[in-house]
Amino acid sequence: EDQVTQSPEALRLQEGESSSLNCSYTVSGLRGLFWYRQDPGKGPEFLFTLYSAGEEKEKERLKATLTKKESFLHITAPKPEDSATYLCAVHGGSAAGNKLTFGGGTRVLVKP
Amino acid sequence: EAQVTQNPRYLITVTGKKLTVTCSQNMNHEYMSWYRQDPGLGLRQIYYSMNVEVTDKGDVPEGYKVSRKEKRNFPLILESPSPNQTSLYFCASSPFPGQGQETQYFGPGTRLLVL
Repeated sequence: EDQVTQSPEALRLQEGESSSLNCSYTVSGLRGLFWYRQDPGKGPEFLFTLYSAGEEKEKERLKATLTKKESFLHITAPKPEDSATYLCAVHGGSAAGNKLTFGGGTRVLVKP
Repeated sequence: EAQVTQNPRYLITVTGKKLTVTCSQNMNHEYMSWYRQDPGLGLRQIYYSMNVEVTDKGDVPEGYKVSRKEKRNFPLILESPSPNQTSLYFCASSPFPGQGQETQYFGPGTRLLVL
């Protein structure tokens, strides 16, 4: 069974203080790893898809990287508007069909 | 505007009273799915559909039914709701049936309370 664990559960940052979020996963053949941002009371918003170890993607102050066992979401010089819950999800091997398994998320609060 | 819509947004009901939450997307996506989100448990997939008349179970399908008669609609049916189905529900759609999951667009959510 696919498993996804995110850490830390919560992260408080000062504006401009860079940090990284971790997503550890166990899957039988990774078909895709996804990062989403979720604001309170809203649906998740897609950020990135990573497919293979060594792959990196960037969007504004966010950069996602992937290894064989984990993914990192780096937030560089965050601003208060980066405050949100960040979710990681994996699409496992063929035995999992087309199910998507989410981690518990990391709540990020960026203080001015 | 590309979007996934859900109705109702809020619903209070009683145990055993059948209900349907509708989901519609205007992006001609093949892949659609339903999730529930609970504190401490995160987002869990209930059912998904790769195309019209093709549906499959996610991780927590018990107590739910779905149908996909049209490409744009994917209703979630609770035949006999129970209090443990109180949750925040999200519908989502994706344009890539082969990969299935990339760039999923989520709806705004339906907050359900079962008394």
